[in-house]
Amino acid sequence: GAGVSQSPSNKVTEKGKDVELRCDPISGHTALYWYRQSLGQGLEFLIYFQGNSAPDKSGLPSDRFSAERTGGSVSTLTIQRTQQEDSAVYLCASSLAGDTGELFFGEGSRLTVL
Amino acid sequence: AQSVTQPDIHITVSEGASLELRCNYSYGATPYLFWYVQSPGQGLQLLLKYFSGDTLVQGIKGFEAEFKRSQSSFNLRKPSVHWSDAAEYFCAVVQEGRRALTFGSGTRLQVQP
Repeated sequence: GAGVSQSPSNKVTEKGKDVELRCDPISGHTALYWYRQSLGQGLEFLIYFQGNSAPDKSGLPSDRFSAERTGGSVSTLTIQRTQQEDSAVYLCASSLAGDTGELFFGEGSRLTVL
Repeated sequence: AQSVTQPDIHITVSEGASLELRCNYSYGATPYLFWYVQSPGQGLQLLLKYFSGDTLVQGIKGFEAEFKRSQSSFNLRKPSVHWSDAAEYFCAVVQEGRRALTFGSGTRLQVQP
């Protein structure tokens, strides 16, 4: 597809389980971002990948959160031992290198932790 | 730390009325500023951005925003609102030394017929 694709669109899990969220960016976009949007809140930055550079992990809220990007394309956000406060919409975005700020967002993965 | 404030959580306007959504930032240098819109069931879409130059920037869907350094503001405006403008609007700023945008908490716009 032409846009950023995220899966699953909805995920319900039990507290303590691990979850993986997938993001497939726009072809040719070298920058990839993960954000979290909680109910009534703005977007919270989680992690940023740019090409082969070391990712900016400064927004990850705890060591239960990790992300990887394989082959400079698809990214997976993993949340271990999920907690109820992890319930949110996880948004992925991509952009062209050098095109500061024009992010193209996916529709998000809604995570509900029971 | 850099921050973005959107003081209005929820705004309701009548269709055809003018609109102004407020955004204030805290930043040590001239920032890169953005407005995004999130329509129900859709991903965020860039409305407009300001990097430098003319402080009045035009965007898509008839929106414009004005950068005012003296007020640390970047308010979004539209002269005549359409029902399809009902959405949530986010102001954002690029953090110094990073590429990741810092977003405000958003303003939800409701349009009355």
